Amino acid sequence: GAVVSQHPSRVICKSGTSVKIECRSLDFQATTMFWYRQFPKKSLMLMATSNEGSKATYEQGVEKDKFLINHASLTLSTLTVTSAHPEDSSFYICSAKRQGVNTDTQYFGPGTRLTVL
Amino acid sequence: GENVEQHPSTLSVQEGDSAVIKCTYSDSASNYFPWYKQELGKRPQLIIDIRSNVGEKKDQRIAVTLNKTAKHFSLHITETQPEDSAVYFCAARLGQGGKLIFGQGTELSVKP
Repeated sequence: GAVVSQHPSRVICKSGTSVKIECRSLDFQATTMFWYRQFPKKSLMLMATSNEGSKATYEQGVEKDKFLINHASLTLSTLTVTSAHPEDSSFYICSAKRQGVNTDTQYFGPGTRLTVL
Repeated sequence: GENVEQHPSTLSVQEGDSAVIKCTYSDSASNYFPWYKQELGKRPQLIIDIRSNVGEKKDQRIAVTLNKTAKHFSLHITETQPEDSAVYFCAARLGQGGKLIFGQGTELSVKP
């Protein structure tokens, strides 16, 4: 159990367009999901915490108007990169915490490789 | 805010040897410390975790130790195998609902 999926796995887009990435918990309910960004050979940088039914909490330096997060249900959070630019190219990974039993563990999605041309 | 330092950044060992990765954290209120293994292009996978009320935890070839006084925690891998080669991340969490702060990662290479 505790499987998290992301869609799409890879996306290439033109500069100025918007891209939506979905994060789903497949076999559990997640009241909290997290969005990370990872550069090659670097650590995971937390972008925001997404809580079901409320506004996301963004980390310092992350533009909330550029990285729109919606957590509309207990199994789905979306990250929309608006007006994407080449510097937004990165590996975006989500994670989810189970509701209820043992809420310590975060389960990660497989990541989405975004390339902005 | 919370800061996690991880060392070394790269580690190369011979198959069968032990590997040790160390992390320090800054906030004494941190209470949960997971370790993740990430293979190239893949998702981080939880391999072991420890809570602040425990000093040591072991799972087969993997063990984690925690020194709350010194704010140190370490990952120990014994009898390393080539398939242990990956990047390992430590993390610390502040509070029950708190976010995870990750260390910089250690690239472990196990040579056959």
